[in-house]
Amino acid sequence: TQLLEQSPQFLSIQEGENLTVYCNSSSVFSSLQWYRQEPGEGPVLLVTVVTGGEVKKLKRLTFQFGDARKDSSLHITAAQPGDTGLYLCAGANDYKLSFGAGTTVTVRA
Amino acid sequence: DAGVIQSPRHEVTEMGQEVTLRCKPISGHNSLFWYRQTMMRGLELLIYFNNNVPIDDSGMPEDRFSAKMPNASFSTLKIQPSEPRDSAVYFCASSLASGGNSPLHFGNGTRLTVT
Repeated sequence: TQLLEQSPQFLSIQEGENLTVYCNSSSVFSSLQWYRQEPGEGPVLLVTVVTGGEVKKLKRLTFQFGDARKDSSLHITAAQPGDTGLYLCAGANDYKLSFGAGTTVTVRA
Repeated sequence: DAGVIQSPRHEVTEMGQEVTLRCKPISGHNSLFWYRQTMMRGLELLIYFNNNVPIDDSGMPEDRFSAKMPNASFSTLKIQPSEPRDSAVYFCASSLASGGNSPLHFGNGTRLTVT
């Protein structure tokens, strides 16, 4: 059983459309990190959110941390083929990062 | 900065053989993690070192798995004897600090296939 549940598991959209990925848990985390992983490579950090209710923007990507610090979302505006990848959320407590199973996003040109 | 370096990139071995995976963390990082990634279970933490000392090995699946960090620039994960169910991608990651807010820098992984 995953500590963090991500939905949807797969997402395929056309270039220019918007998408949202969700990350939910019954546990409270001190922070939450989002990573993107491409085939044959390790995950790469996109953002860390720390404060409940925090919203961070990274160009076309918007990340939100829930008020209770149990859930998060990633919204991509006007998706591009370069956004294709596996998106992983990870909840942190002390040194330990617990990863969700990931959402595979495919953006078709 | 060369990033976290793992070797080999691919390893194919027969059941019962010993397998050794290697990792060079980013210089100056004092925390090192070994993860395993499979389709079924996602990314699982196997072991965590801080300042070369194993802090948490609760994720190591069995006694067949062992990890060492003899110095700040090198770590190994050994499986002896290997079994087909050990087939997975094994990642090493390092971070500057041990706190959960410190980002992990992953290597590109070792894809292990045990036949």
